[in-house]
Amino acid sequence: GEDVEQSLFLSVREGDSSVINCTYTDSSSTYLYWYKQEPGAGLQLLTYIFSNMDMKQDQRLTVLLNKKDKHLSLRIADTQTGDSAIYFCAERQRGSARQLTFGSGTQLTVLP
Amino acid sequence: SAVISQKPSRDICQRGTSLTIQCQVDSQVTMMFWYRQQPGQSLTLIATANQGSEATYESGFVIDKFPISRPNLTFSTLTVSNMSPEDSSIYLCSAILEPSAASDYTFGSGTRLTVV
Repeated sequence: GEDVEQSLFLSVREGDSSVINCTYTDSSSTYLYWYKQEPGAGLQLLTYIFSNMDMKQDQRLTVLLNKKDKHLSLRIADTQTGDSAIYFCAERQRGSARQLTFGSGTQLTVLP
Repeated sequence: SAVISQKPSRDICQRGTSLTIQCQVDSQVTMMFWYRQQPGQSLTLIATANQGSEATYESGFVIDKFPISRPNLTFSTLTVSNMSPEDSSIYLCSAILEPSAASDYTFGSGTRLTVV
């Protein structure tokens, strides 16, 4: 079965880089996603990466994928107070299933 | 990507009653899903809403408790029946335009349900 794990909390100083980590167990995952959830809000898709890619960069966001270790990370450069939120990684598997399996979420707190 | 309007955004309900949550998508989508997010937890898939047929439920979720409708390609409802305080959660709908596409997993803004 599939299992996606994340550390629960991360605190960084404003202006520093944040790195949020995620591990997954299903090697048949095709796409991996990062979502942001602000207090009282729904989920906002930040970025995604194909399983055959190693890295994807989008402005302040960098996604790294180590397929051998089944490890995914999200780096946020120049972290701002507005980045404080819960970040979820999610995987989508190969085959007919289309739903996503989510990690537990990492609460990112940006300190002034 | 599609835009989903979900309502109500929040509600406080008495135990034993039922609440129906609606999701309207601004374009025809191939698949719609309903998730539950219990306090401080991640998202758990309740079911896949199938257009014109019965929803496909995940383990631990049953139609009598969470009846789902999807009369067309742009609309779905989830009912939380005979509510108890344990049903207090955020409920989110999700839709994808094209199953083969990587992106376009769009989420509604969620319904925050409190059962008293």
